[in-house]
Amino acid sequence: DQQVKQNSPSLSVQEGRISILNCDYTNSMFDYFLWYKKYPAEGPTFLISISSIKDKNEDGRFTVFLNKSAKHLSLHIVPSQPGDSAVYFCAASATDSWGKLQFGAGTQVVVTP
Amino acid sequence: NAGVTQTPKFQVLKTGQSMTLQCAQDMNHEYMSWYRQDPGMGLRLIHYSVGAGITDQGEVPNGYNVSRSTTEDFPLRLLSAAPSQTSVYFCASTASSYNEQFFGPGTRLTVL
Repeated sequence: DQQVKQNSPSLSVQEGRISILNCDYTNSMFDYFLWYKKYPAEGPTFLISISSIKDKNEDGRFTVFLNKSAKHLSLHIVPSQPGDSAVYFCAASATDSWGKLQFGAGTQVVVTP
Repeated sequence: NAGVTQTPKFQVLKTGQSMTLQCAQDMNHEYMSWYRQDPGMGLRLIHYSVGAGITDQGEVPNGYNVSRSTTEDFPLRLLSAAPSQTSVYFCASTASSYNEQFFGPGTRLTVL
């Protein structure tokens, strides 16, 4: 039973436009959410996170929004660049989970010139 | 700092063979984890450790053993490989529950 879901397996966006990646979760105990980026043949790298006490966190071109009532978070990338082409994973953890992460299936983003 | 290192990068096994995937980190992190990545499944937690001498099972532990004798090392053992264990394996470490996890480059394992 997947507790973190990314329902869009792929996203194609033009360079300079906004990329919006969505993630839904079912476990109300999750209180920390992260986005990871993964290039082929490499390990995932941390991108941005948000605690459940916030509804928005921004880091440069990347912004994560959290809607706790809807159990939904999204990652906005503005503007999108060709180097952003990668697989993006949403992940979540709970306070008592000792750092264990539940991952979504990932969204493949392709940024076209 | 090398971060999280994994060896080997690639491995092909026959059904029933055993092997150990190595993982080491030089960041003095207490928490270490093993994940496997399969198409359409994201990353799933196999085993994790919250410190030397302490390990526990994750979501998909069957067929795998771990031990943590030092803070730096967290090897993953396959006792009798099965084709269902064909996957990409990632080791990760973190300083605490609310810090991001750092991942190694992965080991691509094929079991024939």
